[in-house]
Parts: sequence; structure tokens; C-alpha cells
Amino acid sequence: AAGVIQSPRHLIKEKRETATLKCYPIPRHDTVYWYQQGPGQDPQFLISFYEKMQSDKGSIPDRFSAQQFSDYHSELNMSSLELGDSALYFCASSLRQGDRPYNEQFFGPGTRLTVL
Amino acid sequence: AQKITQTQPGMFVQEKEAVTLDCTYDTSDQSYGLFWYKQPSSGEMIFLIYQGSYDEQNATEGRYSLNFQKARKSANLVISASQLGDSAMYFCAMREVRNFNKFYFGSGTKLNVKP
Repeated sequence: AAGVIQSPRHLIKEKRETATLKCYPIPRHDTVYWYQQGPGQDPQFLISFYEKMQSDKGSIPDRFSAQQFSDYHSELNMSSLELGDSALYFCASSLRQGDRPYNEQFFGPGTRLTVL
Repeated sequence: AQKITQTQPGMFVQEKEAVTLDCTYDTSDQSYGLFWYKQPSSGEMIFLIYQGSYDEQNATEGRYSLNFQKARKSANLVISASQLGDSAMYFCAMREVRNFNKFYFGSGTKLNVKP
């Protein structure tokens, strides 16, 4: 079965550079989530999109922005990178079926960003 | 306040034995879902098991079961017959209906299975 695809899998950038992470959700999933997981940390929710509209926002820095496109893929744009942005960035997708909390999030393999 | 609390940063278990990973949660919602994920050293997040707040029976998935005690707001993961491949980080997570598009994670428990 198709899973969530993230690209690139690894990315090395220098301070003050920009980075763009891409996420391709499972086909027919209508919701995309972005998480940041620092070394030894739990995943922190950044932002989510439902049907291409931003639906919720977590601890996403102002230097970051994200959007979901008409084909449902999503991109996380990160500018003025800092050393502390080095982390594993997960994208997850789910299919919302009414307002029930039952819907599992399927996670992508993550993009490991290293800022030097 | 922390939504999900996992009080065991690390656990050891002997191969073939059962182990319980603790998770308590905090919510005022009546409708919510609880999830457990496994994260091996390779980094991917693997869904293990789900428990809904209205589910009367404890969830089970193969060797995984969830000990759900609603009054205590706990959702402990029980792994029976541990295998070496179970060594990983385990995260408890919650979603509330009123914050449907947010997933709250605990800090995780690192499980080491000894041969």
C-alpha cells in the first residue's frame, strides 16, 4: 500500500540558508500534519492542513511557513535556518471521517535536517 | 499542563517477558483518542494501537494491548512476549475532538529488550 512520502530524506544546510521539505500524503487522505523532533525529544506539532486550508498551528516559528497544494502535497519552507532547527521533520497524513478522534495518522519516514 | 505524561524514560525487559509502558493523559474532553507509536533507531514512526475514549473494551493488536483506565486517565501499553526487535522508543499520543488537527505526544520511553 502507498505510504506517506517525504523528500529529501536527508538535508544539510548552513546557518541563514533556506530549506524546503516536501510531503506527499497517502492518496485520498485529506489532512496533512508537520512535526519537528529534536534529538532525544518527542515530536512537536508544527502545523496541519485540512483540504488544503491551514487547520491548526502549533509551535511553528515565524521563519517557517507551509502550504498544501491542489494535489494535496505539502511543503514546509524554512528560512534563516538556525543550528537549533536541526531535527527530524515528520509529515503525517490521515483521512478525516467526521469529528471522531479515531483516525490514525500515518507518518512518513521523516527528513533529517542538519544545520551547520 | 502536559497533555501526555510518560514517566519512564527507559525500561529494560528480558526477551520473552511482558512489559508495561506507562502513559497518563490530561483532557477535559469526553471524546478523544489515544495512540501508541514505536520509533526504532532508524527513525520512522510506526503505529501500534489505538483506544477511543468511548471504547468499552481494551484495545488489542497481536502482542500489543492497551490497559485503558479512564477514571485514572491512563492508557498503558502492554507488550507480551518481548522480542529483540521491540527495542525502540515508544510514544503515547492523544487527539481530542475539539482540537482535532493536533496530536499531543508524550516524551517517550526507551525500551531495551535483553537476550
